[in-house]
Amino acid sequence: GAVVSQHPSWVICKSGTSVKIECRSLDFQATTMFWYRQFPKQSLMLMATSNEGSKATYEQGVEKDKFLINHASLTLSTLTVTSAHPEDSSFYICSNGALSGRVGDEQYFGPGTRLTVT
Amino acid sequence: KNQVEQSPQSLIILEGKNCTLQCNYTVSPFSNLRWYKQDTGRGPVSLTIMTFSENTKSNGRYTATLDADTKQSSLHITASQLSDSASYICVVSRSSNTGKLIFGQGTTLQVKP
Repeated sequence: GAVVSQHPSWVICKSGTSVKIECRSLDFQATTMFWYRQFPKQSLMLMATSNEGSKATYEQGVEKDKFLINHASLTLSTLTVTSAHPEDSSFYICSNGALSGRVGDEQYFGPGTRLTVT
Repeated sequence: KNQVEQSPQSLIILEGKNCTLQCNYTVSPFSNLRWYKQDTGRGPVSLTIMTFSENTKSNGRYTATLDADTKQSSLHITASQLSDSASYICVVSRSSNTGKLIFGQGTTLQVKP
């Protein structure tokens, strides 16, 4: 299956600073990538859909100015958490997928990035 | 409302035993149902994907079933191993091309020696 990597795997930052998380699709050209957030003992929650060469589509309740997404190439999407606060501490996971909802359109998830804001 | 509900929330079994996890969904229109395994601190890894026409699909010691009429699915794990300890997530995809998946809350399985 397709391989998705994330960097960094974990990061600790101070409140008020910004953190950038990279998601790379290593062997699959992903026109669409997805960003999820997962709080302890909860399931994944979709934050936004990242579209190569265009603006991301954010889910209701997710602040686009706080979570900046850039998908400049078919293999890289970045999520920047701006002015981070302790409540932003979470596990951030990305996935790739050219299309979805169809048989064979698998979504491959990255290993996740643990963000801790102090 | 499109929802995916899993049971039990958590489960503890002894190594070598079998177990079955349940998933009920109300997603419509339905496209496919997926089971993922998520180890602690890692991203989910796909186990099976089934469309409405598939009743069962196996992946090694993992066997998933689907009843599209009752909107129920199960994941059966045979001869459990310590490495099976993880969270198992049922995910349903709607018939669309948006790529959005609807996640269940997961079942946390702990296999003890």
